[in-house]
This record gives sequence, C-alpha cells and structure tokens, in this order.
Amino acid sequence: EAQVTQNPRYLITVTGKKLTVTCSQNMNHEYMSWYRQDPGLGLRQIYYSMNVEVTDKGDVPEGYKVSRKEKRNFPLILESPSPNQTSLYFCASSLLSASGNTEAFFGQGTRLTVV
Amino acid sequence: AQSVTQLDSQVPVFEEAPVELRCNYSSSVSVYLFWYVQYPNQGLQLLLKYLSGSTLVKGINGFEAEFNKSQTSFHLRKPSVHISDTAEYFCAVSRTGSNYKLTFGKGTLLTVNP
Repeated sequence: EAQVTQNPRYLITVTGKKLTVTCSQNMNHEYMSWYRQDPGLGLRQIYYSMNVEVTDKGDVPEGYKVSRKEKRNFPLILESPSPNQTSLYFCASSLLSASGNTEAFFGQGTRLTVV
Repeated sequence: AQSVTQLDSQVPVFEEAPVELRCNYSSSVSVYLFWYVQYPNQGLQLLLKYLSGSTLVKGINGFEAEFNKSQTSFHLRKPSVHISDTAEYFCAVSRTGSNYKLTFGKGTLLTVNP
C-alpha cells in the first residue's frame, strides 16, 4: 500500500529537549516536505526536499532542521523545542513532474506539545 | 508568490442540503488548483485537482469544483451532503510546471447536521 508514515503520532516534550519526527514514504517520490498546521492558519510549509541531499527552506523554517540522506526518509529535527512549536505536523511526498499531473500524499500527522 | 483565500472558516449545513465552499486565489503566473479534505484525526486526502482542460472538475465522494479564471476562483460544490462529509476542507494552489510547492488556504470546517 502506498503511504507516508510518520512517527510518533503524539509527542509531549519539554522546552529545550531535542527531538526528531520521522517520515518515510514507499512510493519512490523525489519531493518531500514538512508542514505545520495551526488553528486559523491552515498548513504552512517548513522545509522541503527535491531529492537526496537537496533541501531548502519553506515559509516557516525557524527552529527546525531536516536531512535527506535516503530517498524514502525525511526526518524533521527540533534541536531546542519551544512552546510556540506546539502544533500538528504533516509530512508529504509527491513525484516531480513537469506536467504537474501528480498529487501530494500526506502522512497521518504528528501532534507535538512542548511544555 | 501565490495566495489562497477561503472565504468561510465554518460552514454548517443540514444533511442532504447542497453546499458550496468558496476559494479564491491570487497569482501572477498560471497555477494548478487542488482541494484536499481532512477528516478528524487524519491526514489530508486529495479530493480533486484542476491542471488544464475542462473547467469543471469532478472528484471523489460526489464533489466537484469549477475553475473560473476571470474571477480567480475554484469553488467546491456538492449537491447533497452526508453526515460523513463533516471534515475540514483545504484549497491549495501550485505554480504551473512546478507542482511540488503547495500554498494552502486556512481551511473551511464543514459540519453536516442531521
């Protein structure tokens, strides 16, 4: 089954304690990205990657890091989490296609609470 | 840069009533348009997309949307909703030829009441 898998689904942590949210896709997609979803703000892109070792900032990258060492994995790293990073996080993947005839597949989400 | 405005943050309707969720976009270049649905405690799922061709696009679960270039709109419609359609709906755009970056609207919560 084609899917994007995020772990963990729920996480409560304390300010300053480094954490990693994993994301893995089994569709051989080149493009992967991370979004955060906040009430009344919709989804905002944090970072994206167009292929292995190619990453770039999205619209709200401050406080986050990513890496893309393998095509299937795209972890999100919070080196020193703060309460304003409490949010619902989604990983997504898609094929890169010049025609645009593709769609983004989303993971189930990770609800992060930083206290 | 592109932007998306979903004109209603919440839309309550009764079961079997028709519904329209409104979406307007702004872009200096050609765009692709998408509607995604998010059921409670789940990720986003693609409902339908407009890439080119016919401006009336049909998607899953009986939804359809019409692309109106002159009004820069992409409203989502369903003639008769069910309780199970209760969800949050997101309109999104991406630049033509570079479909990878999606810009989302803030979402519309559709609540279908019995």
